[in-house]
Parts: sequence; structure tokens; C-alpha cells
Amino acid sequence: EVQLLESGGGLVQPGGSLRLSCAVSGFTFSSYAMSWVRQAPGEGLECVATINDRGDNTYYADSVKGRFTVSRDNSKNTMYLQMNSLRAEDTAVYSCARIVAGYWGQGTLVTVSS
Amino acid sequence: IQMTQSPSSLSASIGDRVTITCRASQGIRNDLIWYQQKPGKAPKRLIYAASSLPGGVPSRFSGSGSGTEFTLTISSLQPEDFTTYYCLQHNSYPLTFGGGTKVEIK
Repeated sequence: EVQLLESGGGLVQPGGSLRLSCAVSGFTFSSYAMSWVRQAPGEGLECVATINDRGDNTYYADSVKGRFTVSRDNSKNTMYLQMNSLRAEDTAVYSCARIVAGYWGQGTLVTVSS
Repeated sequence: IQMTQSPSSLSASIGDRVTITCRASQGIRNDLIWYQQKPGKAPKRLIYAASSLPGGVPSRFSGSGSGTEFTLTISSLQPEDFTTYYCLQHNSYPLTFGGGTKVEIK
């Protein structure tokens, strides 16, 4: 059974940092690109970051470029999202996904507020 | 690549035929997925490669298109279909979603 489990969300002040993790099981993690997708309250879906299978190519939405960094550890079947210089508009549920295959986690809530 | 999805919402009745459209700002071949999302739940893949149905998805859902114009059709709306739908292009990075279509009961 495929499982994606996010962790690391929480409340952070504007300008602060947070690191999300996504632990994967049920498929050969090291063979596939993975993504982080967010959904602000009442809003649509936005893919904020994607990393290729080897971790040597990363892609970002303009809204987070220069502030967020995606990485992965294939030995631990885990993907990460380092979020710096957080803003109120980054408040959202963040989910990890193997998007094209349709595998998603349930998400972790990040709230940026003073 | 920008994905323009229309309409943003629609009202329909059970049994109606419904069509949702996504337009890509440049050609994406058939690298398009349609997702269904229910409140509080992870999106569910309905269509991949623009027109292919994954196993377990009811045959009332169908997709068509290639290049820049794509459609999702629900041939006969069922009660469980009243929710939100998104298209996604995976032809080039960053991956981009359409703005979503909320299907409501008339």
C-alpha cells in the first residue's frame, strides 16, 4: 500500500522558518520525481516545488522561489521542504505527492501569523 | 505554462451532462491530468494522459483534447460528483494547476 506521511507543520511568525518532511512507503521512492503542493484555505491547488528522482534537479513556483528549498534523502525514503522568510500568504495545507501517478499525502497545516 | 480552467463554478442537476474546459498557454501534447477533490480530502486522479481512465473511476467520466484545449465530461451527474475539479499540466516545470471548477447542485 502506498503511503505518504507529512510532518513538521505548525504555527510560525512572519519571517520565520519551518521544515516539512514527507515519509514515503509502498513504491520505489528513488525512481520517481516528487512534489509539494499547497492549498490555502478556500483556495485552489498550487504546486510549489518538484524534485527529480536523483535530487539533482529542482523546480519552484515563482511565489516561493528563493525562499523554499526542496530536497530528498533516497536512503530514508523521505522528501523535505525547507521554508524560509515565511509570509502570511504561505498559510496553507502542504501535501507531498507523486502527482502524475495520483499518490498524495493528507497534508500538514502551516499557519504564518503573529 | 498557465492553465485557464472554465467555468469556475456551475450549477447542474443529477443526471445532467457537464463539460469543464482547460486551456494551456502553450502546447502540452497530452500531458494533462484531471483531479477531483472533495472537502478535506486529498485530490483523486480521474483522468491521465488527457483521456485515459485509471482503474476504479466510473465510465461516466471522460477526457479529451491535445495541445492546448482539453475537456472533462461527466455524462450523467451523480450525487457524489458535486465537488471541485482541477486540471494539471505536467509537460514542463513548474507543474501548474487550473483554477478549479466547483460543481454545485441546482
